[in-house]
Amino acid sequence: DTAVSQTPKYLVTQMGNDKSIKCEQNLGHDTMYWYKQDSKKFLKIMFSYNNKELIINETVPNRFSPKSPDKAHLNLHINSLELGDSAVYFCASSQDRGLGNTEAFFGQGTRLTVV
Amino acid sequence: ILNVEQSPQSLHVQEGDSTNFTCSFPSSNFYALHWYRWETAKSPEALFVMTLNGDEKKKGRISATLNTKEGYSYLYIKGSQPEDSATYLCAFNSGTASKLTFGTGTRLQVTL
Repeated sequence: DTAVSQTPKYLVTQMGNDKSIKCEQNLGHDTMYWYKQDSKKFLKIMFSYNNKELIINETVPNRFSPKSPDKAHLNLHINSLELGDSAVYFCASSQDRGLGNTEAFFGQGTRLTVV
Repeated sequence: ILNVEQSPQSLHVQEGDSTNFTCSFPSSNFYALHWYRWETAKSPEALFVMTLNGDEKKKGRISATLNTKEGYSYLYIKGSQPEDSATYLCAFNSGTASKLTFGTGTRLQVTL
């Protein structure tokens, strides 16, 4: 069983389109995250939700909107896609929102290519 | 802006060699330091979560130490094997927010 699963794994779309990436975790964790792997291979936090409540919103264009229908799901919706949005997006979850004594569990990533 | 730096960027060793890499992080507002192992085409997987100055953790042939006062952590691999080939990421948590700031990783390649 995959603990944190993202769909789709690959996404190729045209500029200006709206797309969503879905994430589900079956670990019973309270906190979920979206990270973006940038061109320099850094993993950078975008959003964090704890029990469906937004707790981190980094400097991300408002074309990106996370939605958490329940604590097991955190979807990422992107409006008006731009070339610069091309990246690999990782979903993650953790039991502890403080990430002090617990690790983050990552999905396999979604490679988004905007053409 | 939190700077988390890892060195070296890449490392190529032979099977059986022991190796180590460094993670540097801000020494103020320390909460936790994470190490992850990231194999190509897979997800990052946690190796260690370290919180106490002087802490040392071990998992098989891999171990890590932590110095929060000077802001660094070492990851050691004893007797490297080809299956150890991966990118090793460290991530810093200042505790002020529920997030990890990652370094760019050390890419390890172990050959026969």
